[in-house]
Amino acid sequence: SQQGEEDPQALSIQEGENATMNCSYKTSINNLQWYRQNSGRGLVHLILIRSNEREKHSGRLRVTLDTSKKSSSLLITASRAADTASYFCAQAGANSKLTFGKGITLSVRP
Amino acid sequence: AAGVIQSPRHLIKEKRETATLKCYPIPRHDTVYWYQQGPGQDPQFLISFYEKMQSDKGSIPDRFSAQQFSDYHSELNMSSLELGDSALYFCASSGRTPQFFGPGTRLTVL
Repeated sequence: SQQGEEDPQALSIQEGENATMNCSYKTSINNLQWYRQNSGRGLVHLILIRSNEREKHSGRLRVTLDTSKKSSSLLITASRAADTASYFCAQAGANSKLTFGKGITLSVRP
Repeated sequence: AAGVIQSPRHLIKEKRETATLKCYPIPRHDTVYWYQQGPGQDPQFLISFYEKMQSDKGSIPDRFSAQQFSDYHSELNMSSLELGDSALYFCASSGRTPQFFGPGTRLTVL
């Protein structure tokens, strides 16, 4: 997928640290969503931010959206070993289909 | 809470065979989406249905077809299977946003 490119592709941190993952996209969006996927399993919806929003929080998650730069970031604070997973951003277009970017593999070391 | 149900969870087929994947959306969700995720790849949108009518089409091969039935469940039919069809196939459903994903069907073509 050329859209929704995440940065970095892999991230390894110590438990308790914060993890920041960035995503860029190329076309206009209705909203941008972040999903988590544990190895080979289903996609779990984490948070959605609409195109007219700039920041949103949900528990330990904070997502920002910069439509002028076509970028978004997901911050996970006080990470836990259970946060180890792949994270995807996905942009939703007019028909709500999702265009996913390359996943970011997050490893949280106990 | 009820989630999206997919069956079967695992499927092994030979080349040139046919496969049928089933998806049962969350009750009262009127939209179903199908995605394909190859090994180490991001999910790719295949096709979606809203109120039993096809609403959008992505990179779905002509060998694949899908439909949504009167009870809102959906089936993805795959014919003349190729080795490259080996992947995780996800179904997602939504009423509004976001999309909620099922656990996926892992298809292996030998």
